[in-house]
Amino acid sequence: KAGVTQTPRYLIKTRGQQVTLSCSPISGHRSVSWYQQTPGQGLQFLFEYFSETQRNKGNFPGRFSGRQFSNSRSEMNVSTLELGDSALYLCASSWTGERSGNTIYFGEGSWLTVV
Amino acid sequence: GQQVMQIPQYQHVQEGEDFTTYCNSSTTLSNIQWYKQRPGGHPVFLIQLVKSGEVKKQKRLTFQFGEAKKNSSLHITATQTTDVGTYFCAGVAGNNRKLIWGLGTSLAVNP
Repeated sequence: KAGVTQTPRYLIKTRGQQVTLSCSPISGHRSVSWYQQTPGQGLQFLFEYFSETQRNKGNFPGRFSGRQFSNSRSEMNVSTLELGDSALYLCASSWTGERSGNTIYFGEGSWLTVV
Repeated sequence: GQQVMQIPQYQHVQEGEDFTTYCNSSTTLSNIQWYKQRPGGHPVFLIQLVKSGEVKKQKRLTFQFGEAKKNSSLHITATQTTDVGTYFCAGVAGNNRKLIWGLGTSLAVNP
């Protein structure tokens, strides 16, 4: 079956702009999590959605937001982009969520460069 | 707060040498997962350990979960260039059963 699909794969934005990233989880998976990855910083958890509800949130400013649709597809939005937001944004899906100990499957990520 | 420390941060080995990365948690974990991320790629699930003292093997990879369920290790025997990448551990802990990630160990293998 198809894996986790993220779009776009690569994008360049200017400081102050906003960006929306999209994630389609594996069919049947109801949990979607978002991570930011920068060199040397590992995986920084942004938020987790389950059945259209935000279930968990990391320590990111309010400029970072997300949502999940009834078909489990998810989007994340970053407003007023800063240079430091340049990173690989990874989406991960699982059956019922990370907390259940379910395996999580990552998409290939969206590479965001802010100039 | 709850932390998972992963050491070493980097490891450079000659092909054929062994490699080990360690994960240490400040709190008891209900389970721990290991992922591998190739350069330019995304993390890929390797294995999950649940039981105290559990040992699992995947070909040249051996995974262990400590008796106290606070630490774990991944050992690779006779490394190959295909083992290059960053290995992450992630454990579920706490009342809210949050998944906590280590910062990863980057492995470089000299042919």
